[in-house]
Amino acid sequence: EVQLLESGGGLVQPGGSLRLSCEASGFTFSNSAMTWVRQAPGKGLEWVSTISGGSTSTHYADSVRGRFTISRDNSKGTLYLLMTSLRGEDTAVYYCAKVSAGMAHFDFWGQGTLVTVSS
Amino acid sequence: QSALTQPPSASGTLGQRVSISCSGSGSNLGDNSVNWYQHLPGTAPKLLIFSNSQRPSGVPDRFSGSKSGTSASLAISGLQSEDEAEYYCAAWDDNLMGVVFGGGTRLTVL
Repeated sequence: EVQLLESGGGLVQPGGSLRLSCEASGFTFSNSAMTWVRQAPGKGLEWVSTISGGSTSTHYADSVRGRFTISRDNSKGTLYLLMTSLRGEDTAVYYCAKVSAGMAHFDFWGQGTLVTVSS
Repeated sequence: QSALTQPPSASGTLGQRVSISCSGSGSNLGDNSVNWYQHLPGTAPKLLIFSNSQRPSGVPDRFSGSKSGTSASLAISGLQSEDEAEYYCAAWDDNLMGVVFGGGTRLTVL
C-alpha cells in the first residue's frame, strides 16, 4: 500500500524558512518523480514543484522559483521542500504526491501539512 | 487567474448526470493530456481521471472524461450525495514548463 506522510509544517514569521518532509513507502521511491502541491485558505490547488526520480530534473512554479528548493533522499525514501523568504501568500496546506506516467498525473497523495506564515 | 478555466460551481440532483468543463490553450490541453482530481475538505485529493479518459482502479464507471482540442470535460452520471466535492482539472503546460490546475468546480448535490 502506497503511503505518503508529510511533516514539518508550522507557524513561521515572514522572511523565515521551513523545511517540509514527505516519507514515502509502498513503492520503489527512486523510480518515481515526486511533486508538491499546495492549497491556500479558500483557494484552489496550486502546483509548486516536481523532481525526477534521480534528482536530475526539477521544475518550479514561478511563484516559488528562487525561494523554494525541492530535493529527495532515495536512500531514506523521503522528499523535501526547503522554503525560504516565506511570505504571507505561502500560507497553505502542502501536499506531496507521487507522479505517475504524465507530469500532471499524480496517483497518490499525502494528507498534507499546514504552513502558516504570520508575525 | 488559472491557465485552465473551470466553472466555479455546478449542481445536480440525485441520479442526475452533470458535466464539468475545463478550457485551456494550445500549450497545455492542446498538446498534453488532462487529469481530473476530486477533493473533499480536510482530505487528500484523489485522482479521478488520467490521460483524458482513463479511470484508475477503484474509481466507479459513473465518472468519465473526454478531451477535444483545448477543451476537456468530466461527466458524472447517477449522481450520489458522496460526489459532493471540489473537482480540478490539471495538465502540463509547455510554455510555463510546469503543471497548471483549473480553479476548481464545487459540485453540489441537491
